[in-house]
Amino acid sequence: EVKLVESGGGLVQPGRSLKLSCAASGFSFNDYWMGWVRQAPGKGLEWIGEINQDSSTINYTPSLKDKFTISRDNAQNTLYLQMSKLGSEDTAIYYCARANWDFDYWGQGVMVTVSS
Amino acid sequence: DVVMTQTPVSLSVSLGGQVSISCRSSQSLVHNNGNTYLSWYLQKPGQSPQLLIYKVSNRFSGISDRFSGSGSGTDFTLKISRVEPDDLGVYYCGQGTQYPLTFGSGTKLEIK
Repeated sequence: EVKLVESGGGLVQPGRSLKLSCAASGFSFNDYWMGWVRQAPGKGLEWIGEINQDSSTINYTPSLKDKFTISRDNAQNTLYLQMSKLGSEDTAIYYCARANWDFDYWGQGVMVTVSS
Repeated sequence: DVVMTQTPVSLSVSLGGQVSISCRSSQSLVHNNGNTYLSWYLQKPGQSPQLLIYKVSNRFSGISDRFSGSGSGTDFTLKISRVEPDDLGVYYCGQGTQYPLTFGSGTKLEIK
């Protein structure tokens, strides 16, 4: 069974940084692109970016490229999202997903709240 | 960026009925490799999104044949037949053809 479990969310002050993790299991992690999608409260889905199998290619949505960094550790079957200079607009549920030209499996999501 | 426009914003249907959701893209979703990467997702209340349809018309593993996708180029449709209570939620289309990847704004399906 494919399983994706995000962690690392919580309350963070504006301007600070936070790193999310996504633990993958049930499939060969190093065979797949992986991505991050977020959803602000009551809003739709926003693609953040995705990373290929060996981390040689990482694509971001332009508005987040200078704030967010995606990485992965294939030995640990874990995907990461490093977020910096956080603002209230970054308050959202963050989902990791297996990327395959679409997103075929999603984690349960982790809430990030940016507030003083 | 490719803008995905979904209509309607919401709809209400009786159990056993049929509904169609439209998704239009601002540019053709035909990739250089000849495939069209248009997907449909359902987000049930309080849950993460789940993939229903990929590459326009292919049902994902375990998805009922009550769900069908069609379309080409910039114009796509999701049809749900014999609507069941478990179908309620928000439906999103998404494109994987061109970066940045984008989603429609969602269609909320309610059961009468």
